[in-house]
Amino acid sequence: EPEVTQTPSHQVTQMGQEVILRCVPISNHLYFYWYRQILGQKVEFLVSFYNNEISEKSEIFDDQFSVERPDGSNFTLKIRSTKLEDSAMYFCASSELEGNSPLHFGNGTRLTVT
Amino acid sequence: AQTVTQSQPEMSVQEAETVTLSCTYDTSESDYYLFWYKQPPSRQMILVIRQEAYKQQNATENRFSVNFQKAAKSFSLKISDSQLGDAAMYFCACIQGAQKLVFGQGTRLTINP
Repeated sequence: EPEVTQTPSHQVTQMGQEVILRCVPISNHLYFYWYRQILGQKVEFLVSFYNNEISEKSEIFDDQFSVERPDGSNFTLKIRSTKLEDSAMYFCASSELEGNSPLHFGNGTRLTVT
Repeated sequence: AQTVTQSQPEMSVQEAETVTLSCTYDTSESDYYLFWYKQPPSRQMILVIRQEAYKQQNATENRFSVNFQKAAKSFSLKISDSQLGDAAMYFCACIQGAQKLVFGQGTRLTINP
């Protein structure tokens, strides 16, 4: 069964550094997302992406965050200058259609900011 | 605003028994979709079951079924014949329109052998 893959599985970075989290969505999917889960808390929506542009973003997704689909297969989340509070599990997801199409999640990238 | 509430932070059940996880939600839309996701210790998010709000029939997937009460905005998950591999965090989630999936706080399910 096709899967969403994320790399790396664990990223450690120093505060103030830039990080790029990578995702390869399922190939025939059209909608792409990033979610975040701070340890012990619920999963939170960050951003959705469709047709090469952001379709919706949360208030968490400020100017420090950006997303890109550089080559038609990868979908990346960049955090420009990481803060301690960015430490979390970041999940990429994709879906085939809007609405009733379920989101398929990747295994997540654990980001630790020191 | 759309909200999802899971009032049970933790639940436990004896292996082979049945357990029900509660979820309530609030949305102003008439067309929306509800999901249960499972998150084992590996932290992966795995879709368990989904329900379209316009369908009155409760969704079922093998040992997993839901009790969808639209008027009460309730969407509980029933796990029958619980197995050790069912131990995980379970998240209820709601989506409407554009794809912003809103999650509940989660319920940690423990299976006692």
